Amino acid sequence: EDKVVQSPLSLVVHEGDTVTLNCSYEVTNFRSLLWYKQEKKAPTFLFMLTSSGIEKKSGRLSSILDKKELFSILNITATQTGDSAVYLCAVEGPQYGNKLVFGAGTILRVKS
Amino acid sequence: DADVTQTPRNRITKTGKRIMLECSQTKGHDRMYWYRQDPGLGLRLIYYSFDVKDINKGEISDGYSVSRQAQAKFSLSLESAIPNQTALYFCATQSRDRTEAFFGQGTRLTVV
Repeated sequence: EDKVVQSPLSLVVHEGDTVTLNCSYEVTNFRSLLWYKQEKKAPTFLFMLTSSGIEKKSGRLSSILDKKELFSILNITATQTGDSAVYLCAVEGPQYGNKLVFGAGTILRVKS
Repeated sequence: DADVTQTPRNRITKTGKRIMLECSQTKGHDRMYWYRQDPGLGLRLIYYSFDVKDINKGEISDGYSVSRQAQAKFSLSLESAIPNQTALYFCATQSRDRTEAFFGQGTRLTVV
């Protein structure tokens, strides 16, 4: 069974804290790993990672992929209340039938 | 106008009724997906289609059917709705070169 596992399931932090969200998967050969942020309704795209060890950054968010250890992390520094959301990780590749397979998500709540 | 449009946005229906959820896109993408989202379970794949003549079951296709009427349209049907199909349903599209996926705003379906 295709599997993408995210941890923690939920997290509560204070504004200004740094958080690390984890995504692990079970196959060694895949095409890409994607991170999404979901606030009210539709998930919005954050990053796509295809190469191991190369960090993607966008403002206070960054993500890196480790293809050897089969995981990715999403870091958020200096968190703000607007970062409160569900963060979803998805993996896509031939062993998944070339379809996007999502993890259960991490619920992040940032308190002011 | 949104690139990926789902209709209806909200629907309440009775057990045993047939219901269709529609998705249309203006992105010109070949690949389209239907997911359902339940609390704590992330996005689970119902059906996906890589072009008009290609339909594939996802991990939770039982009780659902789909129709790809055109490249731009992908409909999801519940032949005989049951209460445990109450969920938030998302349509997504993805280009053939498999970069980020774009999501509709979701349809909140309640089966009573």
